[in-house]
Amino acid sequence: EAQVTQNPRYLITVTGKKLTVTCSQNMNHEYMSWYRQDPGLGLRQIYYSMNVEVTDKGDVPEGYKVSRKEKRNFPLILESPSPNQTSLYFCASSQTLDRNVQYFGAGTRLSVL
Amino acid sequence: AQSVSQHNHHVILSEAASLELGCNYSYGGTVNLFWYVQYPGQHLQLLLKYFSGDPLVKGIKGFEAEFIKSKFSFNLRKPSVQWSDTAEYFCAVKDTGRRALTFGSGTRLQVQP
Repeated sequence: EAQVTQNPRYLITVTGKKLTVTCSQNMNHEYMSWYRQDPGLGLRQIYYSMNVEVTDKGDVPEGYKVSRKEKRNFPLILESPSPNQTSLYFCASSQTLDRNVQYFGAGTRLSVL
Repeated sequence: AQSVSQHNHHVILSEAASLELGCNYSYGGTVNLFWYVQYPGQHLQLLLKYFSGDPLVKGIKGFEAEFIKSKFSFNLRKPSVQWSDTAEYFCAVKDTGRRALTFGSGTRLQVQP
């Protein structure tokens, strides 16, 4: 089954404790992206990757890191989480960026205390 | 910068009522347009998309949308809503100048039985 898998689904942590949210897709997609969803703001892009070893900042990259060492995986790293990073995070992938549908993971709800 | 406006933030309808959700975007060039739906506690799923051709697009579950280029609009419609349509609906736009989707802030639809 084609899917985008995120882990964990729920995470409660404390300020400053490094964490990683994993994202994996099994569709051999080139493009992957991370979004955060906040009430009244819709989804905002954090980082994206056009292909392996090619990553770039989205609209709200501060406080986040990503890597794309393999085509299928695109982890999101919070080196020193802060309470303003409490949010719902979605990973998405598509074959390419243009004229393609992005498929979304189930989401990771993060609370930073 | 691209912006996407969804003017209806919260819509309450009775079952069998007709639905129209507005979506306007700001970019005047070539665009890919999407409507996604997010059922409570779930990830985003594609309802329909427009890349080119017939501006009236049909999607899943009886939804349709009309692209009106002169009005920069891509409104979502359904002739008769059901209780199971209760969800949040997001309009998204991909333009040639950005390597990301730009999402609207979402419309929460509540259908009362």
